[in-house]
Formats: sequence, C-alpha cells, structure tokens
Amino acid sequence: NAGVTQTPKFQVLKTGQSMTLQCAQDMNHEYMSWYRQDPGMGLRLIHYSVGAGITDQGEVPNGYNVSRSTTEDFPLRLLSAAPSQTSVYFCASSKEQLAEQQFFGPGTRLTVL
Amino acid sequence: GENVEQHPSTLSVQEGDSAVIKCTYSDSASNYFPWYKQELGKRPQLIIDIRSNVGEKKDQRIAVTLNKTAKHFSLHITETQPEDSAVYFCAASNSGYSTLTFGKGTMLLVSP
Repeated sequence: NAGVTQTPKFQVLKTGQSMTLQCAQDMNHEYMSWYRQDPGMGLRLIHYSVGAGITDQGEVPNGYNVSRSTTEDFPLRLLSAAPSQTSVYFCASSKEQLAEQQFFGPGTRLTVL
Repeated sequence: GENVEQHPSTLSVQEGDSAVIKCTYSDSASNYFPWYKQELGKRPQLIIDIRSNVGEKKDQRIAVTLNKTAKHFSLHITETQPEDSAVYFCAASNSGYSTLTFGKGTMLLVSP
C-alpha cells in the first residue's frame, strides 16, 4: 500500500494562477480531508469529504474548490492563487469516522508570489 | 464550533526527563481526542488517542489523561529521548461526521 500520496511536493505560482493539488489513497477509506498548515497556526481544515460525491466546507474554504468523483482521489483546486495561500497543504484519509485515526499524506509546499 | 487551546508552545527538557503538554477544549459534546507527532519536514502521525469514556490511556512511554469535567486533556511522555523532539498537536472532535479541530502545536526539544 502506498497510503496517502500527494503531488506535487513543491510548487511556486504567481498571483492569479490556478492549479490543482492532487491527493490519492489506496486504503479504500471513505473519509478524506484537506488541511493547510501555517507557522504557529496548527492544522486548519479547508474542505472534507465523507464519501464519493459528497464534499463540505471546513474552517477556511475561501479560494479553494474540491470534488470527489472516486473513493481514491480528492483533488484541491486553487481558483486564483493569492500570496495568503502560501502554505503547506496536507491531505488526510480515515476509514471508520471522519475525525478518527487520520492518515496524512507527505504534504505539498506551495509558494504564491 | 470547537476551540482547542494548547500549552506550552515550546518545551525544552533534558533527555530522561518527563514532558507534559496540556490542551483544553470548548465543546462539551467532544468525545474523541487524538495526539499527532510531526517531525521536522514530515507529515503528522497519530501517536495515541482517547475517547471520553476513558480517563487515561498508556502506550509504552506515552500516556494521555482526560478530565471531562474540566474539559482538558494532557499528553505525558516519560524518559524522553532526542528522537521525541518534534511538534505535537492535540485535537478534539465530536466523532461521527464531525470534523477534527487541532491545537496550535507544541514544539518539544529534548537535549542529550
């Protein structure tokens, strides 16, 4: 099992550009989440999904879109990148409950200039 | 929504000492409390979790205690080692479809 994978590992964007951060898991987990991690701020939830076709907003959803067309994939789209979106992004998945025993991906470090 | 406060933000100990990290939560309906360890440049990893029907849980050198009345829970690490150096995050959730709310983290430094 590869677990939770994320691509790319690093990305630099210019303000206004769009891009998609990829997340995939091969553990057949129903629940998936996207977090951003900023210094001194902990992990903040952006969007989450409780199954294919079902997504919802977290604490900081503005500027991001998600979709969940398959159980395995949960991409995060930045519509028009802003410097405030410079952060490390983590995808996580869990099997039994949304919040319980989350497995995290390796993260994507995004810089918006 | 839930609010999780974590203290201290940094903690320095000597190898072999004990370390204690404390968290408080605001939602009395929260019933699931995990702790994650994040080494520098790595992903967060679950190290221990506790549910509200249990007051204490141990796993080798780490233990977590929960006081539901006071709405606080703590991580205890005994006989600390340099490899325990990392950022530790507490979190809380009402389980089910409820999301996980994280504290801001504690950087633990263990000096040889």
